[in-house]
Amino acid sequence: AQRVTQPEKLLSVFKGAPVELKCNYSYSGSPELFWYVQYSRQRLQLLLRHISRESIKGFTADLNKGETSFHLKKPFAQEEDSAMYYCALRNQAGTALIFGKGTTLSVSS
Amino acid sequence: ETGVTQSPTHLIKTRGQQVTLRCSSQSGHNTVSWYQQALGQGPQFIFQYYREEENGRGNFPPRFSGLQFPNYSSELNVNALELDDSALYLCASSPTPEDEQFFGPGTRLTVL
Repeated sequence: AQRVTQPEKLLSVFKGAPVELKCNYSYSGSPELFWYVQYSRQRLQLLLRHISRESIKGFTADLNKGETSFHLKKPFAQEEDSAMYYCALRNQAGTALIFGKGTTLSVSS
Repeated sequence: ETGVTQSPTHLIKTRGQQVTLRCSSQSGHNTVSWYQQALGQGPQFIFQYYREEENGRGNFPPRFSGLQFPNYSSELNVNALELDDSALYLCASSPTPEDEQFFGPGTRLTVL
């Protein structure tokens, strides 16, 4: 079965603290994984994809096939990082994105 | 701004009715995917159209159907509405099925 699990509904941190948003997946073969972000009153947008290995807005995510994880990390959280974050997996047919339930990140000063 | 638009923004229907939701993709994007997002959940794949042909379908009944037109517009039709169809419906466009998907703002459907 292809599945994405985000175990935390809400993660609250203080500005400047490290952030780790957890994502685990279930997939046969080599997965293609993404993190999407939705800021308040904005549409869903791609934050990063594992194949590009980029760092966007200070966020990174490493694919760990042994642990079937793709956690999103940032060393120092900023208030503007407050948003809903979704981990997603491309399905085996290559057509659809399979999303987790999302984690709300709240960064306060 | 990604350029994907959806109409209407909000819609209220009653159980048993039919509804048509519309999406306008970015110019040059031959692929459109539709997702249903229930409250507190992540988006769930309904189906995808590529060059006006259905290119994949999620676990949704046949009363969910779609069309894609040559002018980069598309429709999601839902017949015999049920209360559980109340959700945010998102469309996303991309040049090909393998490319990054750009999402629209969504249509909020409420079924009473």
